Amino acid sequence: SQQGEEDPQALSIQEGENATMNCSYKTSINNLQWYRQNSGRGLVHLILIRSNEREKHSGRLRVTLDTSKKSSSLLITASRAADTASYFCATVNSGNTPLVFGKGTRLSVIA
Amino acid sequence: EPEVTQTPSHQVTQMGQEVILRCVPISNHLYFYWYRQILGQKVEFLVSFYNNEISEKSEIFDDQFSVERPDGSNFTLKIRSTKLEDSAMYFCASSEPGGGLGNTIYFGEGSWLTVV
Repeated sequence: SQQGEEDPQALSIQEGENATMNCSYKTSINNLQWYRQNSGRGLVHLILIRSNEREKHSGRLRVTLDTSKKSSSLLITASRAADTASYFCATVNSGNTPLVFGKGTRLSVIA
Repeated sequence: EPEVTQTPSHQVTQMGQEVILRCVPISNHLYFYWYRQILGQKVEFLVSFYNNEISEKSEIFDDQFSVERPDGSNFTLKIRSTKLEDSAMYFCASSEPGGGLGNTIYFGEGSWLTVV
């Protein structure tokens, strides 16, 4: 089944460093979306990248998409303690089915 | 910025009781969703709703669950005869016309349901 799976499951870095999280999926997609979730809170949308796009930027966030490898990456540059959260990728396939989430990457940014 | 709002933020209920979780989607959105997240697990799709009917549902969304749009602004999830394993965070979400065809899906803060 189509599924976004993030890698690594957990990542701990120092403030100011860059954080890279990867996502792999199994079937063709229409788009892929990245979300952030602070502990016990809601899902905050970060970026949507469509299947015909290869890279998108939003502030300190950079997302890439490689449909040939069925993978995406989320790069957070110059990380801050406030970036500490879980990050999820979620995919929508060509059939307009709803988001399918991966298990997420827990990012800890140490001040 | 417009947002999806959910109530209650936390509800504790006895096993076997009925629960209604409420959501106010973003006003110009036409697609609505419910997802749930059991503690420590991934976010799971329950149901999507468009044009006053269910457009898709997962295996989780069995006869115990129902959704309704009782008026022009609210979108509710009813869980009949709750079970211990229904304890989870329930997220409501909405998106613009075009739904999952490429539009951002916005989530609420969630309703944390504890069944005891």
